[in-house]
Amino acid sequence: DAGVTQSPTHLIKTRGQQVTLRCSPKSGHDTVSWYQQALGQGPQFIFQYYEEEERQRGNFPDRFSGHQFPNYSSELNVNALLLGDSALYLCASRTGPVAGELFFGEGSRLTVL
Amino acid sequence: RKEVEQDPGPFNVPEGATVAFNCTYSNSASQSFFWYRQDCRKEPKLLMSVYSSGNEDGRFTAQLNRASQYISLLIRDSKLSDSATYLCVGRGNTPLVFGKGTRLSVIA
Repeated sequence: DAGVTQSPTHLIKTRGQQVTLRCSPKSGHDTVSWYQQALGQGPQFIFQYYEEEERQRGNFPDRFSGHQFPNYSSELNVNALLLGDSALYLCASRTGPVAGELFFGEGSRLTVL
Repeated sequence: RKEVEQDPGPFNVPEGATVAFNCTYSNSASQSFFWYRQDCRKEPKLLMSVYSSGNEDGRFTAQLNRASQYISLLIRDSKLSDSATYLCVGRGNTPLVFGKGTRLSVIA
């Protein structure tokens, strides 16, 4: 039973570029959330997708957008990258948008130069 | 004030010691609390949920004090493998809110 898988694991971009991160939820899970974890900080909620719609959003600008596909996988897109976007981006999945244990993937480590 | 606040540490303790972490939260609407463990450069993993009545899982004991709005985690008989960052997490009507984490190093 595969857990949450994310790709790529590491990537380097330059300021102003755009990036797309991908996530496949744990088998049987239909809800995907994305978190940003800067060095020395706890994960910060970006948004949550359920039934292919963004259900909740944290305090992140519109440069951060996402998508959920019919197979429940998800993408996180970040446009016009800033140095401050350098972080570990974590995808987490659960069954349903509210209850249930949240399982995290190993994350995509983004470095913006 | 941050919704969830923790002492970042580091806590450096010898093997076999007992160590306690506290965490305070500001949102009284928070309904559920958890402790997550995060190893260096890895993803967070659920350690245990926290109940008002207190709960224990082996060497780990979690407590919730709603009146004072704090959560605690007690680790008894520390092992080298307990070295990690421990994240205090709250959940109300919004998704999980994480603290910055408390770093624990257990030394031989």
